[in-house]
Amino acid sequence: DIQMTQSPSSLSASVGDRVTITCRSSQNIDTFLNWFQQKPGKAPKLLIFGASRLQSGVPSRFSGSGSGTDFTLTISSLQPEDFATYYCRQSYSVPGTFGQGTTVEIK
Amino acid sequence: QVQLQEAGPGQVKPSETLSLTCSVSGASVNSGSYFCRWTRQLPGKSLEWIGDIHNSGSTSYNPALKSRVTISIDTSKNQFSLKLASVSADDTAMYYCSRGNVLTTADANWGPGTMVTVSS
Repeated sequence: DIQMTQSPSSLSASVGDRVTITCRSSQNIDTFLNWFQQKPGKAPKLLIFGASRLQSGVPSRFSGSGSGTDFTLTISSLQPEDFATYYCRQSYSVPGTFGQGTTVEIK
Repeated sequence: QVQLQEAGPGQVKPSETLSLTCSVSGASVNSGSYFCRWTRQLPGKSLEWIGDIHNSGSTSYNPALKSRVTISIDTSKNQFSLKLASVSADDTAMYYCSRGNVLTTADANWGPGTMVTVSS
């Protein structure tokens, strides 16, 4: 299985901050990388697919980059509704695997 | 607007079979451009892909669960189902169904999830 490693596991930030979360895969996954946001008690929400393509309806402050093994999710200006847990997921090979998650908390 | 809703018993006894259905509205499970998926989340943990099914009936399962998993589609009811056999406490989790685009391999539409507890 391809292992997905996110960093950091958690971070504290303030409204308006620029936030960056990284995801590293154990092997080359091209751009078969999705980013999800999950709030407590809710289903994951797709933010980014194809490593950098913004899902329809997702605010433009979210962006993704990377290819191969190293990927980044950036929130350009953190908003109150962005405090949540973020997961990366590779869809390059079976089984699709998720990172362990990064929790963004209020500072 | 595409909506998905999971349904099934909230509690299953050890060694029995967990059975869930996912009803889809606003879209057809029979669409050739989409796949239907089950994912689960153990309490306090990350997410685990269970498997996919396409309108052709072709399936893909997580090797870790493959011997116990069956996913099927019922086009007459516009729903798809998950069966997980021989469950144990390790299968206690929130179970989500989702629908995704074959070209992007991304699932944008998710159900709210249903909690299943394995306990006698």
